[in-house]
Amino acid sequence: NAGVMQNPRHLVRRRGQEARLRCSPMKGHSHVYWYRQLPEEGLKFMVYLQKENIIDESGMPKERFSAEFPKEGPSILRIQQVVRGDSAAYFCASSLQKKGAYNEQFFGPGTRLTVL
Amino acid sequence: EDKVVQSPLSLVVHEGDTVTLNCSYEVTNFRSLLWYKQEKKAPTFLFMLTSSGIEKKSGRLSSILDKKELFSILNITATQTGDSAVYLCAVLANSGYALNFGKGTSLLVTP
Repeated sequence: NAGVMQNPRHLVRRRGQEARLRCSPMKGHSHVYWYRQLPEEGLKFMVYLQKENIIDESGMPKERFSAEFPKEGPSILRIQQVVRGDSAAYFCASSLQKKGAYNEQFFGPGTRLTVL
Repeated sequence: EDKVVQSPLSLVVHEGDTVTLNCSYEVTNFRSLLWYKQEKKAPTFLFMLTSSGIEKKSGRLSSILDKKELFSILNITATQTGDSAVYLCAVLANSGYALNFGKGTSLLVTP
């Protein structure tokens, strides 16, 4: 059973370009979470999605960032018109759904985005 | 603003040593504290602590939570080179899913 997969592992973009980061959750997991790790900082929660629904995007910047988790295919984190400050490691995690309990999050290897 | 502070930020020890990693937190609506190990890729889950004073143990690793003093420690005994990694502490607040991570402690175990 493959773990959480993220691609690409490394992404280089020039200022003003778009970045698309993909996350395939573990088999059977219907919940996806995105975290960002800025240089010298801890991972920070960005957004929580279930299939076709955004549950909580309170940690995501209001502009240029969007996320989706379609019925078919991977979850996508999209950053439009990237700036140097977007350079970071972006981690995706997935979980099952167990009502009334913490759903253990399994992390992917991350995508390292570098904006030139 | 919620805070999770880990110390030390980095540590170098010899194989066989015992290490203690620290994590303190200031979080509204605390629910649980989690420890992860991060090698060159994905963070992997070690422990989740919800109750004070109950030690969780897995092989040479153990951890305990003090909810009164708002901290947790992760102990590793008889360290091995394979323990070299970044150890992350994260706090789970009342949302039940948003993890708030510290910056991590980078541990290097030398032969």
